[in-house]
Amino acid sequence: EVQLVESGGGLAQPGGSLRVSCAASGFSLWDYAMSWVRQAPGKGLEWVSAISGSGDHTYYAASVKGRFTISRDKSKNTLYLQMEGLRVEDTAIYYCAKDQNYYGSEGLDYWGPGTLLSVSS
Amino acid sequence: QSVLTQPPSVSAAPGQRVTISCSGSSSNIEDNYVSWYQQLPGTAPQLLIYETNKRPSGIPDRFSGSKSGTSATLGITGLQTGDEANYYCESWDSSLTAWVFGGGTKLTV
Repeated sequence: EVQLVESGGGLAQPGGSLRVSCAASGFSLWDYAMSWVRQAPGKGLEWVSAISGSGDHTYYAASVKGRFTISRDKSKNTLYLQMEGLRVEDTAIYYCAKDQNYYGSEGLDYWGPGTLLSVSS
Repeated sequence: QSVLTQPPSVSAAPGQRVTISCSGSSSNIEDNYVSWYQQLPGTAPQLLIYETNKRPSGIPDRFSGSKSGTSATLGITGLQTGDEANYYCESWDSSLTAWVFGGGTKLTV
């Protein structure tokens, strides 16, 4: 059974750093593209970042490019999002999601429950 | 301001049919697949439609997707109160080299 469980959210200060994780089970992260999608309180979905199955291709939303880094750990089958230079507007629930396709073009068919990041002084 | 534009809300009576539009451009919807997601209150989104008009297993055929030019449409027939949710379209944007979501549409049944 495919499962995704995010962790690592919490309270961070503006300008600070945090890493959120997504433990995957029931499939290998190296077989599918993966994305991070966030949702600010009471707002819509915002795609944040994605990585192809090979890991050769990574993509970022303009709002996080240069500040966030997506990566994976094969031994732990875990996806990460390293966030630097945090801003108040980064406050959101962060979801990891699995694509149906290796390249990331067939829709996100499994989602984790999300982890909440609050950025505030 | 989302790259893909959806109406903030739509409503229809139980048993009726509703459509939700998603307007984009030549760099996203016109040249790429569209996905649709349903998000029930307090839950993670669920994939309803992928590759513009395909349904994942388990999604009833009451849900359908289509596109024409730079716009895509989600159709829902036989509306049920359980369909009350927020619906989002998504597509790859070739100019931005990024995936983009619509702002979401709240469906009231």
